[in-house]
Amino acid sequence: AQKVTQAQTEISVVEKEDVTLDCVYETRDTTYYLFWYKQPPSGELVFLIRRNSFDEQNEISGRYSWNFQKSTSSFNFTITASQVVDSAVYFCALSERSGGSYIPTFGRGTSLIVHP
Amino acid sequence: NAGVTQTPKFRILKIGQSMTLQCAQDMNHNYMYWYRQDPGMGLKLIYYSVGAGITDKGEVPNGYNVSRSTTEDFPLRLELAAPSQTSVYFCASRNGANVLTFGAGSRLTVL
Repeated sequence: AQKVTQAQTEISVVEKEDVTLDCVYETRDTTYYLFWYKQPPSGELVFLIRRNSFDEQNEISGRYSWNFQKSTSSFNFTITASQVVDSAVYFCALSERSGGSYIPTFGRGTSLIVHP
Repeated sequence: NAGVTQTPKFRILKIGQSMTLQCAQDMNHNYMYWYRQDPGMGLKLIYYSVGAGITDKGEVPNGYNVSRSTTEDFPLRLELAAPSQTSVYFCASRNGANVLTFGAGSRLTVL
């Protein structure tokens, strides 16, 4: 079973639309970390946000916002007023303890295409 | 600029050849990781290291080996390359907040 599920393989929107990328995770740990990374067409992986399991406060950074809900094991990412530059593959990741070390596990990614 | 440096960026191998992907970081991070990325499959962990001299297997270690003789370097060796190892390989190091910094990636094709 996947520890991190990103059910949306690809999302296509028109510029200025709002879009939400879903992420559902599975863990038995009480202490864990959740992340979102962005991979633009150039191929590099860029860190966007980190959340620890004890901090359920939602976060907003410009047009980006994140909704963390432990009750549903979800960590969703919303882009408001999307722009063409937001086109990328977005990965959700879970870091939980395994054998004394925190091991990051990634979802399969959601490809976001923003059309002008 | 501080970060993770991977070489080479591209490589074509013939079946059965061997090669080493180099990875170096200058952030003094203890934790380092090797992932492979296949289309639609996300990133899968090959090997990781918690410090110099200590390495451990990830989800897909078969066909690969690693070593960690220094904090800075974490090379990934492919022995007897197979077409199934055609992929994009990413090296990463982790800071104290569990955030990964990735290298630019190495695209490997095995023919």
